[in-house]
Amino acid sequence: NAGVMQNPRHLVRRRGQEARLRCSPMKGHSHVYWYRQLPEEGLKFMVYLQKENIIDESGMPKERFSAEFPKEGPSILRIQQVVRGDSAAYFCASSQGTGILGEQYFGPGTRLTVT
Amino acid sequence: TQLLEQSPQFLSIQEGENLTVYCNSSSVFSSLQWYRQEPGEGPVLLVTVVTGGEVKKLKRLTFQFGDARKDSSLHITAAQPGDTGLYLCAGVAVGNKLVFGAGTILRVKS
Repeated sequence: NAGVMQNPRHLVRRRGQEARLRCSPMKGHSHVYWYRQLPEEGLKFMVYLQKENIIDESGMPKERFSAEFPKEGPSILRIQQVVRGDSAAYFCASSQGTGILGEQYFGPGTRLTVT
Repeated sequence: TQLLEQSPQFLSIQEGENLTVYCNSSSVFSSLQWYRQEPGEGPVLLVTVVTGGEVKKLKRLTFQFGDARKDSSLHITAAQPGDTGLYLCAGVAVGNKLVFGAGTILRVKS
């Protein structure tokens, strides 16, 4: 499977719990992006990472949200103390680079439901 | 903040008809990508346009990038029920992040 992989596909959390969303980029891609799609809204950029570095986190809420892309393993988007407003589809995308190599390919998403 | 306005929001047409979806901005983008998204799935990249005035064809789909790189259009000829889905335009902004339009929900009736 050469595509972007995300797991879990569906995640249910109670208010106050932590949510961990994982993303494995396409083979050969070292740039990872996270986007959020709220109900009735479009896709919004959250954070852009390269291996071990956060490049741009301007779209990520400053509290409760964090992201990492370690040297080994998948990228992780972590949401602490989830609230009902965090319920959304979270998509990960990856690219080989930037510019002409910057085409972003998306994973199937993780649907987070906070009860 | 760069914004992309996409229109129309909804489109319901008969099989065989033609349609055009528009994507407009007051900002310049280095390139623009078009995606299609099915319910419960992630967006699938259809095409990337880079050069002002560029036209790309993908079977019955024709994509155009405005001369000033601020707008784009997607034209579908002889739409088929299989074209039904959500179409998204996304401008590549500074820092390689994508700025998405709100999307066009297309329904093609047989």
